[in-house]
Amino acid sequence: DQQVKQNSPSLSVQEGRISILNCDYTNSMFDYFLWYKKYPAEGPTFLISISSIKDKNEDGRFTVFLNKSAKHLSLHIVPSQPGDSAVYFCAAVWGTGANNLFFGTGTRLTVIP
Amino acid sequence: NAGVTQTPKFQVLKTGQSMTLQCAQDMNHNSMYWYRQDPGMGLRLIYYSASEGTTDKGEVPNGYNVSRLNKREFSLRLESAAPSQTSVYFCASRDNSPLHFGNGTRLTVT
Repeated sequence: DQQVKQNSPSLSVQEGRISILNCDYTNSMFDYFLWYKKYPAEGPTFLISISSIKDKNEDGRFTVFLNKSAKHLSLHIVPSQPGDSAVYFCAAVWGTGANNLFFGTGTRLTVIP
Repeated sequence: NAGVTQTPKFQVLKTGQSMTLQCAQDMNHNSMYWYRQDPGMGLRLIYYSASEGTTDKGEVPNGYNVSRLNKREFSLRLESAAPSQTSVYFCASRDNSPLHFGNGTRLTVT
């Protein structure tokens, strides 16, 4: 059963507007969350993360929000740029150990110039 | 600093053929991973190696074998390729840090 879910396979946004990518999880033991960005023909690259003790983390145009009670996190990109067009994966981590990372299925963001 | 290097970038196999996907990292990471990415399925873990000398199955290990050759290198072998193994394969490594991925191998099995 998928423990991390991204229910929107795709999202289109006008350049300059806000992009909001959503992610839901089922396991309340997850204690760290990450977002990865993937361009075509490249591997995913780490974008931003948040610990479960926080509810917000910001890095430039990118902000991740965590709502533990709803088991929901979101990535906000403001303002969106055409170069942000990519597939975004959220991931969740549970404790230590090498096999403790679980990925969502990804959301393809298209920023329209 | 090359990071994680995967070879080959592309490969076409006929059903039943075998091949090995190579992966090397130069970040001195202990843990290495093989994922496959399929449309609508996200990144699924095939096998991982927590440290040199150990390997373990992930979510979708059937049809694959792995070898952790040394700390740097972690290979993935398909002994008898099947069309269901058509996918993009990513190698990754980490210690207590986010995963670092290679650029992938696009494999087509006909």
